[in-house]
Amino acid sequence: GDSVTQMEGPVTLSEEAFLTINCTYTATGYPSLFWYVQYPGEGLQLLLKATKADDKGSNKGFEATYRKETTSFHLEKGSVQVSDSAVYFCALSGDAGNMLTFGGGTRLMVKP
Amino acid sequence: DVKVTQSSRYLVKRTGEKVFLECVQDMDHENMFWYRQDPGLGLRLIYFSYDVKMKEKGDIPEGYSVSREKKERFSLILESASTNQTSMYLCASSPGRGYQPQHFGDGTRLSIL
Repeated sequence: GDSVTQMEGPVTLSEEAFLTINCTYTATGYPSLFWYVQYPGEGLQLLLKATKADDKGSNKGFEATYRKETTSFHLEKGSVQVSDSAVYFCALSGDAGNMLTFGGGTRLMVKP
Repeated sequence: DVKVTQSSRYLVKRTGEKVFLECVQDMDHENMFWYRQDPGLGLRLIYFSYDVKMKEKGDIPEGYSVSREKKERFSLILESASTNQTSMYLCASSPGRGYQPQHFGDGTRLSIL
């Protein structure tokens, strides 16, 4: 079946540092890929998405490129802020269509 | 923007009570989902529904039931609450066509005493 693997956290960075959170996936066919963010005490918010190979999703300074050859969808941001502290989830929607497969989540902590 | 509203942010109930968690979405989505989220266990799917009066079991349906009488509303029911059902519960919705993201509510943090 489909699966998503994320790097384990927590990831601790200083403000203005470069962020990479790795995400790799296993799926048949051509899944859509997503990154969600969960701020403390809240639900998940869709951060960005990509629906086909080589698509780049971007939002709020975050970017991720759908790499089919490496089955990856790594999340990057050039300069993190304290307000980016949250848990980030990588997810895919594959042949099951309406279902999402989530990674385990990566907690990001940004220190001033 | 899609709005998914969960009726309570925090809820405290007693063991053995029947508990109702309500979720309403305003985007005419066909699909609705209930998850629970626990530290170290990630998100686990309890039930989902792809149409009115339709329901499908997810990964952990035991101890739960659901109701979908109207398209916009999906209720999660704990028939007889137990302490191991203390958790964060998240509702989500998505359009009927495939490969679409799910939109989540703010969650209900449920404590069973």
